[in-house]
Amino acid sequence: QVNLVQSGTEVKKPGASVKVSCKASGYCFTCYDIHWVRQAPGQSLEWMGRINFGNGQQKYSEKFQGRVTITGDASATTVFMEVRSLTSEDTAAYYCARDGWNYDILTGLNGFEIWGQGTTVTVSS
Amino acid sequence: EIVLTQSPGTLSLSPGERATLSCRASQSVSKSFLAWYQQKPGQAPSLLIYETSGRAAGVPDRFSGSGSGTDFTLTISRLEPEDFAVYYCQHYGDSPQFTFGPGTKVDVK
Repeated sequence: QVNLVQSGTEVKKPGASVKVSCKASGYCFTCYDIHWVRQAPGQSLEWMGRINFGNGQQKYSEKFQGRVTITGDASATTVFMEVRSLTSEDTAAYYCARDGWNYDILTGLNGFEIWGQGTTVTVSS
Repeated sequence: EIVLTQSPGTLSLSPGERATLSCRASQSVSKSFLAWYQQKPGQAPSLLIYETSGRAAGVPDRFSGSGSGTDFTLTISRLEPEDFAVYYCQHYGDSPQFTFGPGTKVDVK
């Protein structure tokens, strides 16, 4: 069964960093990109960045470039997303999502096919 | 950057009724790059429709997608109780173009 399981709730002070993990199972880990999407309370979804294991590249939304780092550990089939210099505006649910395109066999679908359960990050003094 | 707008913001309907949700892009979007997601309270989003009209695995056939250019539509032919949720369209393009619309909430009339 394809699954993404994220780490638990975080509470941080302004200026701190947070690192959220996303453990994948049930599929070829390196064959698909993993994206990170966040959702502030009552707001829409916001794409943050992605990691491609085929070419080892990460790409980020301009808004998060330089403040967010996405990394992966293929041996542990886990992706990590770190946000630095947190402010109250970073209070949100953070989701990892697996892309639908398989880079190994060049087939699939264009969409975020599988989602983690979400990790709530609260930034408060 | 492509901006997506969704209308209406809230759609109040009764079970059994037909729901028509609109997503408009600020510039033309390839049909291959428009997706729809459903999100229920307290849950992660889930993929409903990919590439404008493809139904994701396990999605009932009462859900359908259509459109082209700048105008796209998600239709729910007959609302079931579990369909009351928020729906987001997404431009699935090369980064940083993975933008989402503001969402349409479908609630019970």
